[in-house]
Amino acid sequence: RKEVEQDPGPFNVPEGATVAFNCTYSNSASQSFFWYRQDCRKEPKLLMSVYSSGNEDGRFTAQLNRASQYISLLIRDSKLSDSATYLCVVNLAGNQFYFGTGTSLTVIP
Amino acid sequence: SAVISQKPSRDICQRGTSLTIQCQVDSQVTMMFWYRQQPGQSLTLIATANQGSEATYESGFVIDKFPISRPNLTFSTLTVSNMSPEDSSIYLCSVEEQDREGYTFGSGTRLTVV
Repeated sequence: RKEVEQDPGPFNVPEGATVAFNCTYSNSASQSFFWYRQDCRKEPKLLMSVYSSGNEDGRFTAQLNRASQYISLLIRDSKLSDSATYLCVVNLAGNQFYFGTGTSLTVIP
Repeated sequence: SAVISQKPSRDICQRGTSLTIQCQVDSQVTMMFWYRQQPGQSLTLIATANQGSEATYESGFVIDKFPISRPNLTFSTLTVSNMSPEDSSIYLCSVEEQDREGYTFGSGTRLTVV
């Protein structure tokens, strides 16, 4: 079983829509969680960390459910510039970071 | 955040040859890592580049195939040796910064082996 699993999509949504991605992780001892964004042919960039209490950054909301071992990313009022691949990242301990395969999002005018 | 310069950005290489990828950071960082991202796949950690000592390799990766240097806290190289088409991938260096969560990545090296 993979350490981190994501729905690869693609998600094609109209501008202004709300879209949510989920990511499940297999190891209950995982310590920290992140969402990265990767544009086509670019490196991944940290979008936001995910805390147990949930966190929000503008149109983006990330949540963690330890009991069910999943994290989510909600994007409200989607913009064309949100089109990218979103990677779920789980840190087990120390330098053990596991990346999901990414969820592809295309926002359509 | 740290600025990472990774070279070359892309290369096309003949099988059997070797390519050395450089990663230069504009500040001293304790932790540097090398990742591989194969087409349609997620990132896989190759090794942790340790300053002044041998790199720590993940399962499935060996020093003979992917020798790594880390002469100081701002620079590292990854060599892909005796390349085959299966080595065609994007190779990324990343660093962990003290005052930031998560990792910062270099812009990647897109390698095609023919």
